Amino acid sequence: GAGVSQSPSNKVTEKGKDVELRCDPISGHTALYWYRQSLGQGLEFLIYFQGNSAPDKSGLPSDRFSAERTGGSVSTLTIQRTQQEDSAVYLCASSARDSQRGTQYFGPGTRLLVL
Amino acid sequence: QKEVEQNSGPLSVPEGAIASLNCTYSDRGSQSFFWYRQYSGKSPELIMFIYSNGDKEDGRFTAQLNKASQYVSLLIRDSQPSDSATYLCALDRGSTLGRLYFGRGTQLTVWP
Repeated sequence: GAGVSQSPSNKVTEKGKDVELRCDPISGHTALYWYRQSLGQGLEFLIYFQGNSAPDKSGLPSDRFSAERTGGSVSTLTIQRTQQEDSAVYLCASSARDSQRGTQYFGPGTRLLVL
Repeated sequence: QKEVEQNSGPLSVPEGAIASLNCTYSDRGSQSFFWYRQYSGKSPELIMFIYSNGDKEDGRFTAQLNKASQYVSLLIRDSQPSDSATYLCALDRGSTLGRLYFGRGTQLTVWP
């Protein structure tokens, strides 16, 4: 079946602009996660959704970052007033209550470059 | 202490050798452990998960878990150049659908 999809695949923006990143999880996956990965760095957790609610948003680095999920499916991560340090690959993952102990499946990522 | 620590690497092995990747963790409540492979410029892909002490084999890959010593390892037998990637260790903290905690990864190069 279809995997996790993300759009856009690449985004170049100017400092101070707002950007929206989209994630479409695997059909039927109730849990959705956003991570980011800076060049040469590990994965940094941002936020976790269970259905449409976000029980863990502890990783959002500032109030410029927000995310929502609608219909228990698509999620949008919004970064307001982008800064150069926001440049990274933003990865979305989804997971289901199944026998694989909450294995997370990743999308291809959105590469964000803030000039 | 970080949640998850991996041997820093980079690790370089010849084709056909066994590559050993190690990971230690700090939270004894962790229940599920995952190994992801990440090729340069790509997103992580799952190789294996393990949650019981002992070994779990899948083809050329063997994951080993020792909860008493708080370490998990991944062995790659008969390493191939196509195994060259960064390997990420990840774990939960007892909540099946909560976030995963990732190590920073170990870069593996398999040379022909």
